[in-house]
Amino acid sequence: NAGVTQTPKFRILKIGQSMTLQCTQDMNHNYMYWYRQDPGMGLKLIYYSVGAGITDKGEVPNGYNVSRSTTEDFPLRLELAAPSQTSVYFCASSYPGTGNNQPQHFGDGTRLSIL
Amino acid sequence: GENVEQHPSTLSVQEGDSAVIKCTYSDSASNYFPWYKQELGKGPQLIIDIRSNVGEKKDQRIAVTLNKTAKHFSLHITETQPEDSAVYFCAASLPKYSSASKIIFGSGTRLSIRP
Repeated sequence: NAGVTQTPKFRILKIGQSMTLQCTQDMNHNYMYWYRQDPGMGLKLIYYSVGAGITDKGEVPNGYNVSRSTTEDFPLRLELAAPSQTSVYFCASSYPGTGNNQPQHFGDGTRLSIL
Repeated sequence: GENVEQHPSTLSVQEGDSAVIKCTYSDSASNYFPWYKQELGKGPQLIIDIRSNVGEKKDQRIAVTLNKTAKHFSLHITETQPEDSAVYFCAASLPKYSSASKIIFGSGTRLSIRP
């Protein structure tokens, strides 16, 4: 099992450009999440999904979009990159417990700089 | 809104000594408390978690305690080793989102082990 795989690992964008951060998991997890981590801070939830075709906003969704067409993939889209979106982005997945929280498994992140 | 506070932000201990990291949470209905370890350039990895129906859980050199009345929980690492150097995050479940396994993170503790 590869777990949660994120690509690319690093990227530099110019202001106003767009890009898609890729995330795929091979654990057959229904739940997937996108977080951003700013220097010295904890992780903030951007978007999450409880299954294919279902997505919802997290704490900091502005400037981002997601889609979930398959169980395995959960791409994050930046349409008009802004310097405030410079951050490290983490994708995670978890198995849906029977009404109980289950551990989230994280990828190794995408380090994104907007210049 | 929901909040998790984590202290200290940095911690330096002598190899072989113990390290303690403390967190408080705001929502008394939170019932799941994971701890993650993040090494440089990697994603967070779950090291231990505890649910609200127990007060303490131990796994080799790592233990977590939970005080539901005071709404705080702590991570204890005994006999610290150089490989324990990392950033540690606590987190607490968001009860109204328990069906999506959503959690909120503390701001992290950078632990350094002095040889």
